Amino acid sequence: EVQLVESGGGLVQPGGSLKLSCAASGFTFSGSAMHWVRQASGKGLEWVGRIRSKANSYATAYAASVKGRFTISRDDSKNTAYLQMNSLKTEDTAVYYCTRQDVVAAKIDYWGQGTLVTVSS
Amino acid sequence: DIQMTQSPSTLSASVGDRVTITCRASQSISSWLAWYQQKPGKAPKLLIYKASSLESGVPSRFSGSGSGTEFTLTISSLQPDDFATYYCQQYNSYPLTFGPGTKVDIK
Repeated sequence: EVQLVESGGGLVQPGGSLKLSCAASGFTFSGSAMHWVRQASGKGLEWVGRIRSKANSYATAYAASVKGRFTISRDDSKNTAYLQMNSLKTEDTAVYYCTRQDVVAAKIDYWGQGTLVTVSS
Repeated sequence: DIQMTQSPSTLSASVGDRVTITCRASQSISSWLAWYQQKPGKAPKLLIYKASSLESGVPSRFSGSGSGTEFTLTISSLQPDDFATYYCQQYNSYPLTFGPGTKVDIK
């Protein structure tokens, strides 16, 4: 059974930093691209970024709204993906979901339960 | 960036109704479109990928169609479990983008 479990969310002041983790199990993590998607309360879904596999040089891509502030990384030995968030703004307040992209079909098929990040003074 | 729009934004329907939601892309995305269902407090669930492929385990009353810039999600006979918000998403190019959502509620 595929499982994605996010952790690391919480309350942080504007300008602060936070690192989210996504522990994966039930599939070949090292071969999969991993994405982060966020959702502000009562709002729609916003793609944040993704990291590809080692075979694809761990290539990353980011939404314009977070580029230069957020960094996605992964540790294949721990089956874990990370989202490092710096220079946080109040508009970054959201539930952050870790998701998996299927290698063959390219679909984003599995989602974690989400972790809440609140940026407030 | 590719902009995604959905219509309607809200849809009131009854159990047993046939429901259709439309999603449009600002430029051609071939068939690189997915549909998700989301219930309050829960993560989105994949229903349809590549515009018309039914995700494993998803009831056959859900179907998708379209290509290029116009797509539809159809629920052939609405069930009580289907009252939720539905999002389309393009994965033709980065940044990936979602539609604003269509809320299906009880008439």
